[in-house]
Amino acid sequence: DAGVTQSPTHLIKTRGQHVTLRCSPISGHKSVSWYQQVLGQGPQFIFQYYEKEERGRGNFPDRFSARQFPNYSSELNVNALLLGDSALYLCASSTTGGLGYGYTFGSGTRLTVV
Amino acid sequence: RKEVEQDPGPFNVPEGATVAFNCTYSNSASQSFFWYRQDCRKEPKLLMSVYSSGNEDGRFTAQLNRASQYISLLIRDSKLSDSATYLCVVQGGSEKLVFGKGTKLTVNP
Repeated sequence: DAGVTQSPTHLIKTRGQHVTLRCSPISGHKSVSWYQQVLGQGPQFIFQYYEKEERGRGNFPDRFSARQFPNYSSELNVNALLLGDSALYLCASSTTGGLGYGYTFGSGTRLTVV
Repeated sequence: RKEVEQDPGPFNVPEGATVAFNCTYSNSASQSFFWYRQDCRKEPKLLMSVYSSGNEDGRFTAQLNRASQYISLLIRDSKLSDSATYLCVVQGGSEKLVFGKGTKLTVNP
């Protein structure tokens, strides 16, 4: 069975540009979450979606947005990129996203903003 | 104060050593607790959940003390393959995962 798949794996963008990152959860998983991990830090929560509804949002500016599609895949969009947005962006899926469930992470998209 | 704080590390130990990682969390309403392992430039992978009664999985033992808001992970008879960064993770009512900064472990031959 395929795990959580993310695309692209690597991306280089220029300041001010827009980026779209994609995630396909494990088959049967209805919850998708996005995390940002900058070098030397633990992942930071950005968004959680369940059944196409936003269930939670982290402390990130409005430049960050996301959505979940009927097939449970998800996109993370970041507008007006800043150098500080350079990070590993991780997508995680779970069956319901509820408490007590470990999440399975994709291998991430490494974004570099120059 | 950070929501989840871990030993800063790094830890360098010889093969066969026992190593302990410590973690504290600030939100007393937190309900679920985990240890994740992250290899260099890879994604985090769930190592084990942590329960108040303590739980063991082979060479790994995790403990939770809710009163002290403290979580620990003990690795016995460490192997070269245990070299990784260990992330303490807490989950609260909002269901989001809150990660510590991680503690890097290097097991030397």
